[in-house]
Amino acid sequence: AQSVSQHNHHVILSEAASLELGCNYSYGGTVNLFWYVQYPGQHLQLLLKYFSGDPLVKGIKGFEAEFIKSKFSFNLRKPSVQWSDTAEYFCALNQGGKLIFGQGTELSVKP
Amino acid sequence: DAGVIQSPRHEVTEMGQEVTLRCKPISGHNSLFWYRQTMMRGLELLIYFNNNVPIDDSGMPEDRFSAKMPNASFSTLKIQPSEPRDSAVYFCASRPSDSLNTEAFFGQGTRLTVV
Repeated sequence: AQSVSQHNHHVILSEAASLELGCNYSYGGTVNLFWYVQYPGQHLQLLLKYFSGDPLVKGIKGFEAEFIKSKFSFNLRKPSVQWSDTAEYFCALNQGGKLIFGQGTELSVKP
Repeated sequence: DAGVIQSPRHEVTEMGQEVTLRCKPISGHNSLFWYRQTMMRGLELLIYFNNNVPIDDSGMPEDRFSAKMPNASFSTLKIQPSEPRDSAVYFCASRPSDSLNTEAFFGQGTRLTVV
């Protein structure tokens, strides 16, 4: 069974539109969650992370994510996207020391 | 710090040849991961080391793949013999410790093409 699921494979938005990318996980242990971004031709970089405490996590570049335990979700949001946000976004779960990634969501922002 | 360093950045090889990918983790990091990224399968975890010891290699596709970490500053991923379906981008990542409260830092990747 997939530990991390990202249901949106490709999202296309216009600049200034709001963004929400879905991430669901299945894991019974302590939950540590991450969102990474991969710009075209580059390596993965950390956007934000959740370990404990406030379920609303702020990251870089105006991104945020909300951990909802009852829904097993950790959705990524941004109120207003820019063309430079065009990239692939990965949700990841720390599963007993292993870092497991979802399939990724490709975001295309039209200028 | 220079970050995680992978070499080569690009590799083109013929089917049947041996391929060795190299990774230098960030100094002081105790955990190291090898991932394979393809369009079809996304980002797959191949193997995970902690303190130079392989902890989980369940993601290694088959016996043609092997990974070693002879010391804290170097790891290799070897494919022998290579096949066209091994074509992918291979990423190495390191993490400060086995603690759950840390993120992994990724290298630039090695783009492997097997013809």
